[in-house]
Amino acid sequence: GAVVSQHPSRVICKSGTSVKIECRSLDFQATTMFWYRQFPKKSLMLMATSNEGSKATYEQGVEKDKFLINHASLTLSTLTVTSAHPEDSSFYICSARHYITDTQYFGPGTRLTVL
Amino acid sequence: KQEVTQIPAALSVPEGENLVLNCSFTDSAIYNLQWFRQDPGKGLTSLLLIQSSQREQTSGRLNASLDKSSGRSTLYIAASQPGDSATYLCAVKVGEGTQGGSEKLVFGKGTKLTVNP
Repeated sequence: GAVVSQHPSRVICKSGTSVKIECRSLDFQATTMFWYRQFPKKSLMLMATSNEGSKATYEQGVEKDKFLINHASLTLSTLTVTSAHPEDSSFYICSARHYITDTQYFGPGTRLTVL
Repeated sequence: KQEVTQIPAALSVPEGENLVLNCSFTDSAIYNLQWFRQDPGKGLTSLLLIQSSQREQTSGRLNASLDKSSGRSTLYIAASQPGDSATYLCAVKVGEGTQGGSEKLVFGKGTKLTVNP
């Protein structure tokens, strides 16, 4: 089956530093990848949609200069949280849309803790 | 703006019981509806996907129904097992014309299910 990986699974960083999270589709090509954020007892909130080779589309209220997204290839998208602050602490989940079946497959998530 | 609501927020049942999880959405203009399972600290596993033209889908002990006109879906779990304990998320796929943006999934907050041995 289609597998999406995320790295790292957990990261703890100091306030003011930048953190990069990778999302990879391991056995399929994904022209579109999605980045979500999940707070405890809250819905998954779509942050942005990234298409390979083009700029990401951000949802309303998401700071594009703070959450940098790069979709450099059909199997890799990265999310960089710049100048992280404690309020950025959250669970970040990516998903990749299979370019043939159109099905979205989700990664295992990355727990970010900013001290 | 599409909103997805799941009731109840939490449910605890004894092993072997049949149960129903509910999902409602405010805008019937959807492409499909999907039920996911999420274990603590983990990503999402897709359980069932119902296209907007379909009424139900079945997979093993799971059965999901969709009534698009009334904006409702149910996930029926038969003969529940402790391994079914997880949070169940409902999501609808919407696209341009419904939210003014590209296609995306809108999620409910989930129902946390505990099946007691």
